[in-house]
Amino acid sequence: QSALTQPPSASGSPGQSVTISCTGTSSDVGGYNYVSWHQQRPGKAPKLMIYEVSKRPSGVPDRFSGSRSGNTASLTVSGLQAEDEADYYCSSYAGSNNLVFGGGTKLTVL
Amino acid sequence: QVTLRESGPALVKPTQTLTLTCTFSGFSLSTSGMCVSWIRQPPGKALEWLARIDWDDDKYYSTSLKTRLTISKDTSKNQVVLTMTNMDPVDTATYYCARILGGTSCYAGSFDYWGQGTLVTVSS
Repeated sequence: QSALTQPPSASGSPGQSVTISCTGTSSDVGGYNYVSWHQQRPGKAPKLMIYEVSKRPSGVPDRFSGSRSGNTASLTVSGLQAEDEADYYCSSYAGSNNLVFGGGTKLTVL
Repeated sequence: QVTLRESGPALVKPTQTLTLTCTFSGFSLSTSGMCVSWIRQPPGKALEWLARIDWDDDKYYSTSLKTRLTISKDTSKNQVVLTMTNMDPVDTATYYCARILGGTSCYAGSFDYWGQGTLVTVSS
């Protein structure tokens, strides 16, 4: 299975909203309700931000939201804060107990 | 409190076999629905899922690496072990173990706790 496609970079000013896309196929993103988003700060382990397309784990601010349209999932960060600057990775179940990740998006807060 | 910690050699030679151990606490891998995965990340690159072991000892592997990987668990020691054969310099990466969020499907990719990762360099 191929990696999911994410833009290499995204940016926004504090207080603004930014959306990161994650494009797959009907065999992964579009076929299952199992898209997750992880945040990774430099030198740190990833942190779960969104699971099952749009659910937030306990403790994740509601500024983070997830959605999906067809074969493309999206992560939206509203009210950008300096601490949101990080790499973001999407992942999706791809059938037959396989999991595929995206290439990652570096979010810069200007 | 849930914690996971990876351990293993920092340096392996090409063609050697890598053995990594994930030692965890705060949950039991014998609990129905629980599962642990291994994920790696080459320096400056993206995450890649490698393998998963479930509470019932079912095991699953990345399609592209399945011939080289073996995952196992020792429930009494709270450990999950990953072996990767025929190591190559392209396998240089930080290797993570991670636990699935309780209440979600094991194959969902919703990892709520991760180890700090262990960097493995493959070089002669």
